[in-house]
Amino acid sequence: AQKVTQAQTEISVVEKEDVTLDCVYETRDTTYYLFWYKQPPSGELVFLIRRNSFDEQNEISGRYSWNFQKSTSSFNFTITASQVVDSAVYFCALSEAGTGRRALTFGSGTRLQVQP
Amino acid sequence: SQTIHQWPATLVQPVGSPLSLECTVEGTSNPNLYWYRQAAGRGLQLLFYSVGIGQISSEVPQNLSASRPQDRQFILSSKKLLLSDSGFYLCAWSVSPGLGAPDTQYFGPGTRLTVL
Repeated sequence: AQKVTQAQTEISVVEKEDVTLDCVYETRDTTYYLFWYKQPPSGELVFLIRRNSFDEQNEISGRYSWNFQKSTSSFNFTITASQVVDSAVYFCALSEAGTGRRALTFGSGTRLQVQP
Repeated sequence: SQTIHQWPATLVQPVGSPLSLECTVEGTSNPNLYWYRQAAGRGLQLLFYSVGIGQISSEVPQNLSASRPQDRQFILSSKKLLLSDSGFYLCAWSVSPGLGAPDTQYFGPGTRLTVL
């Protein structure tokens, strides 16, 4: 069965610091997809990124970057020069292609607090 | 562009009362629809998903039910609420791009339910 682990429950940093959010996943499927979502205090989940299991190329989008490593089953998320607006709960999620089940399996989330 | 609506935004209900939460999607046709629940300080748990009108898959057996009377409408119901039903309920939609291809789920604003 699939599983997503976000071991960091809460992280607190000072503005402009870099921060990495860890995500470790388990799956028996050879084709799967990984996601990161942001949940600000308003509650709505905001989609950030999707990666395919056959594409290990890291991705950068502005201050955000993602490091996907199949060898360690990890999909970590780094925010460079953090800002107060980055304060939110961040969820990593997994979707398996082989089962036909399109639902997401979420990790328990990491609460990031960026202090001014 | 696509938008997803949920109502009500907040709800306080007594134990044993019925429940009806509504989710509608605009700007797309034949979406996959999902209901998730997020208990306080925890991750998201998939409750139901639907790939078409009248087609409902249940992930967790409980006193909740879901229905999809129209293509872009998804309803979460209960005949008698329990204290444990309190939480944040999120509806999501996705469109299947093809066999084996990933769905990216987009979430609504959520309904915060408190059962007293």
